[in-house]
Amino acid sequence: AQSVTQLDSQVPVFEEAPVELRCNYSSSVSVYLFWYVQYPNQGLQLLLKYLSGSTLVESINGFEAEFNKSQTSFHLRKPSVHISDTAEYFCAAVFAGNMLTFGGGTRLMVKP
Amino acid sequence: DGGITQSPKYLFRKEGQNVTLSCEQNLNHDAMYWYRQDPGQGLRLIYYSQIVNDFQKGDIAEGYSVSREKKESFPLTVTSAQKNPTAFYLCASSIVGLDTGELFFGEGSRLTVL
Repeated sequence: AQSVTQLDSQVPVFEEAPVELRCNYSSSVSVYLFWYVQYPNQGLQLLLKYLSGSTLVESINGFEAEFNKSQTSFHLRKPSVHISDTAEYFCAAVFAGNMLTFGGGTRLMVKP
Repeated sequence: DGGITQSPKYLFRKEGQNVTLSCEQNLNHDAMYWYRQDPGQGLRLIYYSQIVNDFQKGDIAEGYSVSREKKESFPLTVTSAQKNPTAFYLCASSIVGLDTGELFFGEGSRLTVL
């Protein structure tokens, strides 16, 4: 079965430090990739997505992710995190027109 | 403001009782979904509906039921047959099917079985 794996369940980081949240997906001919963010006790919000074209995609709040087909990865990065980035981040994929599949989530904890 | 409204936000239930979670959207979306979220397990799809009066089971439909009598509404009933119903439930909608992957979520309903 197709799957999405988020390698870290929790990532602690100090404010203004860089961060990378890792995501790998099972190989597929066709895949769309997404990152969603969930703030405490709220629903999920779409952060960014890759459907086609440029492999580097960016969000409006400074996050970026790069689609790497050879490594089947879609890691999320930010060069300098803020306290307000503390949240849970979900990587998700649509494989060849099937249903959206979520990874297990990574809790980003930004410390002052 | 357009969006998805879930109610209640918090709900307590005794074992053996059915409970219904409400989900209403005013985004004019055709597709609606129910997910269950448990710590460390991500989101798992319970049911989805792409058109009024039609719905399909997701990965963990056992012990749940839904209806889609109106485009705006997709209520979820957690029945007494669901063996471990304590969880955070999320409703979502999208413009078309899940092939675009862009879902709009409500704020969730947290169900606790006492």
